[in-house]
Amino acid sequence: QSALTQPASVSGSPGQTVTFSCTGTSSDIGIYDYVSWYQQHPGKVPRLIIYDVTRRPSGVSDRFSGSKSGNTASLTISGLQAEDEGDYYCTSYTRRNTVIFGGGTKLTVL
Amino acid sequence: QVQLVQSGAEAKKPGASVKVSCKPSGYPFVNYDVDWVRQAPGQGLEWMGWINPDSGSTAYAQKFQGRVTFTRDPSINTVFMELTSLTSADTAVYFCAREPRGHYSMDVWGEGTTVTVSS
Repeated sequence: QSALTQPASVSGSPGQTVTFSCTGTSSDIGIYDYVSWYQQHPGKVPRLIIYDVTRRPSGVSDRFSGSKSGNTASLTISGLQAEDEGDYYCTSYTRRNTVIFGGGTKLTVL
Repeated sequence: QVQLVQSGAEAKKPGASVKVSCKPSGYPFVNYDVDWVRQAPGQGLEWMGWINPDSGSTAYAQKFQGRVTFTRDPSINTVFMELTSLTSADTAVYFCAREPRGHYSMDVWGEGTTVTVSS
């Protein structure tokens, strides 16, 4: 099963809003509301920032928000900060009772 | 506090097997699934599968079917990931992570175990 499709890179200036896309199929994102997003800083452990498409774990800033339309999920970061720089990965539950990751998007804060 | 403690780094030769342990603490062992995810050097995250520590039931990514096995030992609150027939392509950091059942997300991660496969 192919990975979910994410753009390789996204950039923005401090204070701006950036949006990441994550495109799947009608076998994963299109039929399940089990999309999650993870943030990973270099050399660090991934951190869950969104689950169930729109929900934020306790302690995650409300600058992070998630959404979904059809086979594509999105992560939006508002009020971009330097500490947001890193890699972002999406996942989805699939019809095969598995989880699939996207290839990851590198966020650069200019 | 909630944490998952993994076993130490491993160095293996091609063709060998590796077994990595993951010991959750700070929450009821059987109440959450445990996922395994790996990350090759400079690459993205790759889901390998999960295990239900209560029932022992498992699900594996198709790529690893037949080569990976997840087990658990409830007496010591530990889950294990064994990967066989190692090649250099299996050189990666292997993470275990807690999955709240029914959400298919990973909310607490282990620190990772580096597995290096080299002749």
